[in-house]
Amino acid sequence: AQSVSQHNHHVILSEAASLELGCNYSYGGTVNLFWYVQYPGQHLQLLLKYFSGDPLVKGIKGFEAEFIKSKFSFNLRKPSVQWSDTAEYFCAVGSNSGYALNFGKGTSLLVTP
Amino acid sequence: DTGVSQDPRHKITKRGQNVTFRCDPISEHNRLYWYRQTLGQGPEFLTYFQNEAQLEKSRLLSDRFSAERPKGSFSTLEIQRTEQGDSAMYLCASSLVGGEETQYFGPGTRLLVL
Repeated sequence: AQSVSQHNHHVILSEAASLELGCNYSYGGTVNLFWYVQYPGQHLQLLLKYFSGDPLVKGIKGFEAEFIKSKFSFNLRKPSVQWSDTAEYFCAVGSNSGYALNFGKGTSLLVTP
Repeated sequence: DTGVSQDPRHKITKRGQNVTFRCDPISEHNRLYWYRQTLGQGPEFLTYFQNEAQLEKSRLLSDRFSAERPKGSFSTLEIQRTEQGDSAMYLCASSLVGGEETQYFGPGTRLLVL
């Protein structure tokens, strides 16, 4: 069965610390990969996406993610987090054979001052 | 640029009642999706439309659920004979066919069934 795994459910970091959130998927075939973010009290917003080409993609607010096909991974990174990055982060995978997105359970990030 | 809007934002109902939610997609987006999100989980796909045609339904969409998109613009999701297990956030998303197709989400309707 197709699945998306986010290994870290809760992460607490101090400001200026580096961030890496893991995302692994099990899919056959070509995939499209997304990271969405949900800030407190707000709706899901697109952070970045990968369809093809350079496996290192850059998104908004200094976030980036790397697609490693051999590891079925799409980890999210940020070199230095800010308090305003406190949010829920969701990895999502879509396939070219369908249009529904399959989401991970999310990672709750708390950045302390 | 107007995003996806959903109405109502919150709904409290008693078990057994029917409820209907509305979603207005981003203008000119021809695909519209419904997802459900429960506490501690990511959104789960329910169904999607391309224009007015409902093209895919998840096994999560029981017979008590029905969705429509009559003119290919706004969509409604109705839940009949609500159960406590229906309590969740119902999310709508829309996208434009082609290229790097990306789904944009609305604020959701939070349903509480008492």
